[in-house]
Amino acid sequence: EAGVTQFPSHSVIEKGQTVTLRCDPISGHDNLYWYRRVMGKEIKFLLHFVKESKQDESGMPNNRFLAERTGGTYSTLKVQPAELEDSGVYFCASSLRAAGGYEQFFGPGTRLTVL
Amino acid sequence: GNSVTQMEGPVTLSEEAFLTINCTYTATGYPSLFWYVQYPGEGLQLLLKATKADDKGSNKGFEATYRKETTSFHLEKGSVQVSDSAVYFCALSDRGSTLGRLYFGRGTQLTVWP
Repeated sequence: EAGVTQFPSHSVIEKGQTVTLRCDPISGHDNLYWYRRVMGKEIKFLLHFVKESKQDESGMPNNRFLAERTGGTYSTLKVQPAELEDSGVYFCASSLRAAGGYEQFFGPGTRLTVL
Repeated sequence: GNSVTQMEGPVTLSEEAFLTINCTYTATGYPSLFWYVQYPGEGLQLLLKATKADDKGSNKGFEATYRKETTSFHLEKGSVQVSDSAVYFCALSDRGSTLGRLYFGRGTQLTVWP
């Protein structure tokens, strides 16, 4: 069974540009999460999809971030325009159930560098 | 609110040494507790978990016990190997929530030398 995949693995862009990150969850997992780790700090929750619906987007830092999950399959996270403080590693995770205690399976992450 | 504090790294050990990585938490509800590990170039993997007080999670020689009285979930291994070199993250989720978001600590980099 394929795991969670993310694309690209690395992205280097200049301030003001746009970047789109993609996540493909494990097939059959309705729950999809985005997290971000800024250098040396904790991994922070961004948002949670159940199928194509945003269940919880309380962690999204501002309106420069737009997440979508059309058709309830893969998800994209767009940053427009990118700022220096957006640099970090963006992780995607999926799970069969959302309730606390169920395992979330993580992708390898996308390392975003904004210059 | 919910938060996790884990010991700062990096931690450097010789092979076969004893490992402890401290983790404490604060939670508004009754949390489930996790340790995730990230090996170089890979995503986070669940290492072990515990869902109620006094439960012990264990996997690959690692153990952690859910201590409600001290709000702790320290990770231990009796004899580390070079292959254990990785970043370790302590995390919690609120069992009473249907949302399942995880709250992570800052991560502890472990390097084991032969």
